[in-house]
Amino acid sequence: GNSVTQMEGPVTLSEEAFLTINCTYTATGYPSLFWYVQYPGEGLQLLLKATKADDKGSNKGFEATYRKETTSFHLEKGSVQVSDSAVYFCALREPFNSGGSNYKLTFGKGTLLTVNP
Amino acid sequence: ETGVTQTPRHLVMGMTNKKSLKCEQHLGHNAMYWYKQSAKKPLELMFVYSLEERVENNSVPSRFSPECPNSSHLFLHLHTLQPEDSALYLCASSQAGTGNYGYTFGSGTRLTVV
Repeated sequence: GNSVTQMEGPVTLSEEAFLTINCTYTATGYPSLFWYVQYPGEGLQLLLKATKADDKGSNKGFEATYRKETTSFHLEKGSVQVSDSAVYFCALREPFNSGGSNYKLTFGKGTLLTVNP
Repeated sequence: ETGVTQTPRHLVMGMTNKKSLKCEQHLGHNAMYWYKQSAKKPLELMFVYSLEERVENNSVPSRFSPECPNSSHLFLHLHTLQPEDSALYLCASSQAGTGNYGYTFGSGTRLTVV
């Protein structure tokens, strides 16, 4: 089946450092790809998405590019802030039942990011 | 209220208790989901309701029973749970069958089984 692998972490950075969180996927076809963020005590929030190869999703200074050649969707940010401390999840969207309109998100295990002042 | 609301936020229950988790969405979505989030494990999809019809994940134990009375409400009925069922239970909603949209998640119910 389809799967998502992301770097385990935890990742600890100083404020204004460059961030990369690696994500690779295994899938048939070209699924839509997502990054979600989970702040302490909260549910998951959609951070950005890409629906086809070479698409770049971006939001709040974060970016990720859909690379079909390397089956990757790495998350990057040029200058992190303390408020970016959270758990980040990479996910792909795939059909739940073949031929139907129901879809599910398959998530990676999440990467804990801590940004120190 | 807007978004996806889950109640209660925290729940402690004994193994012989019966309780229910509630989820309500105010987004006009037509699909709702239950996920289980345990430490050190990926989020596990438990149940999917699309257009109020259940699309079930068969690997979920029968001690978990979902109910979707309408497109805005989703329940997870719990009975005779085990300590390993302690986790964060997340509800999500989406617009099924249209485009490539992600989900909107609630804040979750932190369940502890004692």
